Amino acid sequence: KQEVTQIPAALSVPEGENLVLNCSFTDSAIYNLQWFRQDPGKGLTSLLLIQSSQREQTSGRLNASLDKSSGRSTLYIAASQPGDSATYLCAVCNNNDMRFGAGTRLTVKP
Amino acid sequence: EPEVTQTPSHQVTQMGQEVILRCVPISNHLYFYWYRQILGQKVEFLVSFYNNEISEKSEIFDDQFSVERPDGSNFTLKIRSTKLEDSAMYFCASRRDRRNTGELFFGEGSRLTVL
Repeated sequence: KQEVTQIPAALSVPEGENLVLNCSFTDSAIYNLQWFRQDPGKGLTSLLLIQSSQREQTSGRLNASLDKSSGRSTLYIAASQPGDSATYLCAVCNNNDMRFGAGTRLTVKP
Repeated sequence: EPEVTQTPSHQVTQMGQEVILRCVPISNHLYFYWYRQILGQKVEFLVSFYNNEISEKSEIFDDQFSVERPDGSNFTLKIRSTKLEDSAMYFCASRRDRRNTGELFFGEGSRLTVL
């Protein structure tokens, strides 16, 4: 059974700092990996989707990498802003469902 | 931009009552999903639906749960007799591309509170 782990569980940084969020998964036979953002009490907003054949994806200040063989993905956020404060979820797709990590709760202080 | 919409945003019900949560997936999407998130816990897969039938379901999705696509636009989750532990945020999601490769889009969720 796929297990997804995200480290750290919470992170607090000053505005402007670059940061890395980590995601690891136990079953490397994935189809894709998706990073989401969740604001308190809200739904999940898709940030980046990486197919199993890809190594990374970029969108604006966000860059996600995937190392399928080692079961790891990272989400890099450049020049963080207070508006980036949210919980970031990693989800991996094996069969016809996605397994989620518990998320990293990010706080960016002005 | 097309989005997945869910109603109601919040429902409070008494234990033992039936609840129907509604979703309108993105119009050209073919694969539909329900997930739930108990407060403070991980997002958990419940069920996937394609071509008017369930594709996969988790161990959570027992006989108390059912899904239906009653028309060309709505996708519903029914909980037949709610329990206290059904209190959670329920998310609907949809995907356009063939299974497993496309981006998954989520709605804003329906918060269910069972008293």
